[in-house]
Amino acid sequence: QKEVEQDPGPLSVPEGAIVSLNCTYSNSAFQYFMWYRQYSRKGPELLMYTYSSGNKEDGRFTAQVDKSSKYISLFIRDSQPSDSATYLCAMRRTDSSYKLIFGSGTRLLVRP
Amino acid sequence: DTAVSQTPKYLVTQMGNDKSIKCEQNLGHDTMYWYKQDSKKFLKIMFSYNNKELIINETVPNRFSPKSPDKAHLNLHINSLELGDSAVYFCASTGETQYFGPGTRLLVL
Repeated sequence: QKEVEQDPGPLSVPEGAIVSLNCTYSNSAFQYFMWYRQYSRKGPELLMYTYSSGNKEDGRFTAQVDKSSKYISLFIRDSQPSDSATYLCAMRRTDSSYKLIFGSGTRLLVRP
Repeated sequence: DTAVSQTPKYLVTQMGNDKSIKCEQNLGHDTMYWYKQDSKKFLKIMFSYNNKELIINETVPNRFSPKSPDKAHLNLHINSLELGDSAVYFCASTGETQYFGPGTRLLVL
């Protein structure tokens, strides 16, 4: 079993829809949780970064962490065609190596 | 100003050749990484260096050898390239969070 599981999609939604992207994980030692967005032929760029449980909002993006269920989510409100990309969740423990474990990514397509 | 840069962007080569990829960061971070991303977009860590010292070495063939001349640079040398080495290789630099370079697309023929 992988440490981090993520549905690969593709997920296709109409413009304006609310998108929900999710990851589950098995290692309860993970404390830092990130969402990266990767456009085709580009490097991953950091979207959201949270520590431990709770919600964090940034514009149209909301990240949620539920450590009791080992489940994290990224919500995108009012989705735009420019949001079409692959979204990767990532997480790490609190030790000093900063080693990130990534999900396999969910491909999102927002249709105009 | 680009935070993490890699060269070259594209690399097409024959099996058996030796090639290098260079990475530089101007963020002042101490820790840098190499990742391999396969065709299914799965990002797998290969190596990590902290201030020129190797701290993570995942199960990677010893044909891959990272070198860090200083904490702003982390290069990757690959000997005797194989077809299965074809992938996108990303360099990353980390403080509290990781910043990725644009990637090097390696195609081994």
